[in-house]
Amino acid sequence: SQKIEQNSEALNIQEGKTATLTCNYTNYSPAYLQWYRQDPGRGPVFLLLIRENEKEKRKERLKVTFDTTLKQSLFHITASQPADSATYLCALEYSGAGSYQLTFGKGTKLSVIP
Amino acid sequence: NAGVTQTPKFRVLKTGQSMTLLCAQDMNHEYMYWYRQDPGMGLRLIHYSVGEGTTAKGEVPDGYNVSRLKKQNFLLGLESAAPSQTSVYFCASSYSTEAQFFGPGTRLTVL
Repeated sequence: SQKIEQNSEALNIQEGKTATLTCNYTNYSPAYLQWYRQDPGRGPVFLLLIRENEKEKRKERLKVTFDTTLKQSLFHITASQPADSATYLCALEYSGAGSYQLTFGKGTKLSVIP
Repeated sequence: NAGVTQTPKFRVLKTGQSMTLLCAQDMNHEYMYWYRQDPGMGLRLIHYSVGEGTTAKGEVPDGYNVSRLKKQNFLLGLESAAPSQTSVYFCASSYSTEAQFFGPGTRLTVL
């Protein structure tokens, strides 16, 4: 069965540093991978999508890489700020029977320390 | 635009009671989804819909039913609530197979 792992439940970093979160998957050949941010008591918010034929994607201070050989995606936040503190979820597309579903990882809780 | 809204925000049920959670979106999205989120389990798909009048089972459909009579609404029903259904429920919608837009969630406790 498909499996998604986010490398750690929690990550603490100093303000100004680059945060790197990892998402690994097995038994998948996803067409694309997404990253979401979730704040306590709120629904997830879409951040970035990267397709299987894209190596890297950027949006402001965010960068996502996608290595289909390693079956891994890395999510980077450069010049991190306390406001970046949240839980970050990766999600992989699973297509079956004409439908399109996302399977989510359990998330990594990022804390940026001033 | 309100985006995705969910009703109610909180609910406490007794075992065996029934209820319906309502999700509404004003973005004219075709796809709608119901998830539950539990500590240590992450988001899990309950049911989804790829268009008005269609529904399909997700990863954890048992004990739930859904209906999509109107494109903008997706209803999740619990016919006979059980304590194992205590969770936070999120509705989401998407235009295509890409970014999903989530509602604020419904926190349900079943005693």
